[in-house]
Amino acid sequence: NAGVTQTPKFQVLKTGQSMTLQCAQDMNHNSMYWYRQDPGMGLRLIYYSASEGTTDKGEVPNGYNVSRLNKREFSLRLESAAPSQTSVYFCASSEVVNRGWRNTEAFFGQGTRLTVV
Amino acid sequence: ELKVEQNPLFLSMQEGKNYTIYCNYSTTSDRLYWYRQDPGKSLESLFVLLSNGAVKQEGRLMASLDTKARLSTLHITAAVHDLSATYFCAVVPSQGGSEKLVFGKGMKLTVNP
Repeated sequence: NAGVTQTPKFQVLKTGQSMTLQCAQDMNHNSMYWYRQDPGMGLRLIYYSASEGTTDKGEVPNGYNVSRLNKREFSLRLESAAPSQTSVYFCASSEVVNRGWRNTEAFFGQGTRLTVV
Repeated sequence: ELKVEQNPLFLSMQEGKNYTIYCNYSTTSDRLYWYRQDPGKSLESLFVLLSNGAVKQEGRLMASLDTKARLSTLHITAAVHDLSATYFCAVVPSQGGSEKLVFGKGMKLTVNP
């Protein structure tokens, strides 16, 4: 099983350019997430989608947009890249916790290393 | 707002030694996770702790959860070089139905021969 697949793995952008990070999962999970990881900051949630057709802001949403294209795919778009968006981006997926069922786990993609110059 | 704090953030230890690392969180939580990350790699799930008093062990690592104290510990027994990595704890707030993980900043562990 592929699990969570992110593309591209590496990207260099110039300030002001736009790009879309792609994420797809094959585990039939309802929830999907985008995190960014910066040195000494842990992982911070950018956006998440609890189910197909819904998205919500996380801790650091400014400068990003997302699209939950279908149950499998959740994309992250940078409309006008800034050097402050240089980071490693991780997509994750998990099941929604249903009442009485609490044993869930989040699975992560391999990450996208983005550099904005 | 849920905050997750790990300590220490950096640990250098010798092979064969024991050590405990800590993860505190600020509000009630459904569950707590421990992840491992090797340099340049993704996150690998180590443990999922679901209830007060939960204890899980895998090899030289043992994790426990005290929901009343809002504290999880990760105990390392007889450390070996292969345990060198960054360890994150992550917590899911009680409210809401999605796996909205809130991460600590991570603890970078170096095990020296």
